[in-house]
Amino acid sequence: NAGVMQNPRHLVRRRGQEARLRCSPMKGHSHVYWYRQLPEEGLKFMVYLQKENIIDESGMPKERFSAEFPKEGPSILRIQQVVRGDSAAYFCASSPRGADSYNEQFFGPGTRLTVL
Amino acid sequence: AQSVTQLGSHVSVSEGALVLLRCNYSSSVPPYLFWYVQYPNQGLQLLLKYTTGATLVKGINGFEAEFKKSETSFHLTKPSAHMSDAAEYFCAVSASGTASKLTFGTGTRLQVTL
Repeated sequence: NAGVMQNPRHLVRRRGQEARLRCSPMKGHSHVYWYRQLPEEGLKFMVYLQKENIIDESGMPKERFSAEFPKEGPSILRIQQVVRGDSAAYFCASSPRGADSYNEQFFGPGTRLTVL
Repeated sequence: AQSVTQLGSHVSVSEGALVLLRCNYSSSVPPYLFWYVQYPNQGLQLLLKYTTGATLVKGINGFEAEFKKSETSFHLTKPSAHMSDAAEYFCAVSASGTASKLTFGTGTRLQVTL
């Protein structure tokens, strides 16, 4: 069973460009979470999605950031008009369906975004 | 709402010595508690988790943690440190009963010296 996959692993963008980060959850997992890790800090929750639905986006910046998890294909975290402060590691996690999953989230290797 | 406090951003131990990483939590509902390890430039790997039942939880690589409700703590221990244990360790909490977000502490960087 393949783990959570994220691509690209490293992404370099210039200020003002768009960044698209992709996450493929583990097989059978229908819950996806995105977290951001700034340098020397812990992970901060951004958004929680199920297929075709955003469940909790309380951690998403109000502007420039969006996320989706379509019926088919990976989850996408999109950052428009990137700024230097967006430079961080972005981690995706997935968990199985149902409350008996104990909320165990399996993390991908992350995408390290550098904004020049 | 949940929060996590990890005391000590850096901990240094000698190889073979006891490892103790502290974690205190705050939660308005019964919590689920987790410890994750992160090696440089890698993702997070689950070490252990507490959900219900036995309060002493054993994880991978010889680590264990004890849930103490009265102290709102979930400290991570390992009897004998190994050089390969050098990494960043994160304590996290989520609300029980639902698939919900993890709230992480700021992490503790463990250094193991000869």
